Amino acid sequence: AQTVTQSQPEMSVQEAETVTLSCTYDTSESDYYLFWYKQPPSRQMILVIRQEAYKQQNATENRFSVNFQKAAKSFSLKISDSQLGDAAMYFCAYTAPYNNNDMRFGAGTRLTVKP
Amino acid sequence: KAGVTQTPRYLIKTRGQQVTLSCSPISGHRSVSWYQQTPGQGLQFLFEYFSETQRNKGNFPGRFSGRQFSNSRSEMNVSTLELGDSALYLCASSFMGQGRETQYFGPGTRLLVL
Repeated sequence: AQTVTQSQPEMSVQEAETVTLSCTYDTSESDYYLFWYKQPPSRQMILVIRQEAYKQQNATENRFSVNFQKAAKSFSLKISDSQLGDAAMYFCAYTAPYNNNDMRFGAGTRLTVKP
Repeated sequence: KAGVTQTPRYLIKTRGQQVTLSCSPISGHRSVSWYQQTPGQGLQFLFEYFSETQRNKGNFPGRFSGRQFSNSRSEMNVSTLELGDSALYLCASSFMGQGRETQYFGPGTRLLVL
């Protein structure tokens, strides 16, 4: 079964600095998709970034980038120039193409941004 | 385009009652998935509907059921509520329901069972 592990329940970062959130996953599939979602206090899940397993290039979205290590089954999120609005729960998630959106989530990392 | 909407946003019920939650997907999206989020179990997949058919189901008891209408709107029903059913229920939509697609989430319905 596919599982996703986030080993950091809480992280904090100073405003304008960089922080990296860790995620590992377990799968026997070769084709799959990985996501980072942000859940602010409003509880709305917002997509931050996604990565296709067949792509070697790491995805980037403005201040957000990932370090995707397929062999190590690792998918970390780097947030550069952290802003107060980045404070939220961050969830790493996995889907395989045939899973019909049975998305598997990690337990989440609560990120605090200090002014 | 309007986002995914869920109603109601908050709900208080007592044990033994039943509840129905509603989800309207993004226009054009035909797949709707439901998730339960609790502090103890995290985010867990309930079921997914596409073209009015349930295609996939998570490991939840039969008290949890759902349906989808021809306009892709979906409802989930929980019968004989238990205290442990208190949770945030999230729905998400995507175009075809393929794993490669991004799911867009609604704001959730917070259910409290007393």
